[in-house]
Amino acid sequence: ETGVTQTPRHLVMGMTNKKSLKCEQHLGHNAMYWYKQSAKKPLELMFVYNFKEQTENNSVPSRFSPECPNSSHLFLHLHTLQPEDSALYLCASSQVYVSSNQPQHFGDGTRLSIL
Amino acid sequence: GQNIDQPTEMTATEGAIVQINCTYQTSGFNGLFWYQQHAGEAPTFLSYNVLDGLEEKGRFSSFLSRSKGYSYLLLKELQMKDSASYLCAVKNYGQNFVFGPGTRLSVLP
Repeated sequence: ETGVTQTPRHLVMGMTNKKSLKCEQHLGHNAMYWYKQSAKKPLELMFVYNFKEQTENNSVPSRFSPECPNSSHLFLHLHTLQPEDSALYLCASSQVYVSSNQPQHFGDGTRLSIL
Repeated sequence: GQNIDQPTEMTATEGAIVQINCTYQTSGFNGLFWYQQHAGEAPTFLSYNVLDGLEEKGRFSSFLSRSKGYSYLLLKELQMKDSASYLCAVKNYGQNFVFGPGTRLSVLP
């Protein structure tokens, strides 16, 4: 139990579907992150929220839309995805964004498959 | 830009010692983290180095040389449960983590 919970664990969707990934952290952290993990590639940072404000968007296509209603919850809304978007999507949290020695705590991820 | 390199795969025997290397090129270095990730699970924090030298934590130790842009994770008395991917991540001042590609370690009986 890492204190970061992601749902669903697995998701299969067609390219025209709309779905959302959910992340919740119970650690009292103020920063939350979305990462994409593809086979044989490094973790790719997608979005960062610090105290509910988006601080980073790493050139992510607009078919991915994040939402952070409060410091404990983070969503990733998905719309008209492409087959290359199939990957493991990981949520993480940390005490504060860019805090020097605080590690990130990760959820188990959502395995996304696009048909 | 930033570049982090790790070996893709390593194999070792139960009870042995294994060293996983990480080299990095970055500016404004502000710490290096190691994470362990079992297949289908979350990456979990193992260690943090910001000053040169060795940090020991039970069977796991991590070393850093800032002048060489080099770190290693040392795993002693290997157990089957240590089979996992090991991720090296570098932090720069005012910026976020950058992860290496990860090293997949297989521990054989």
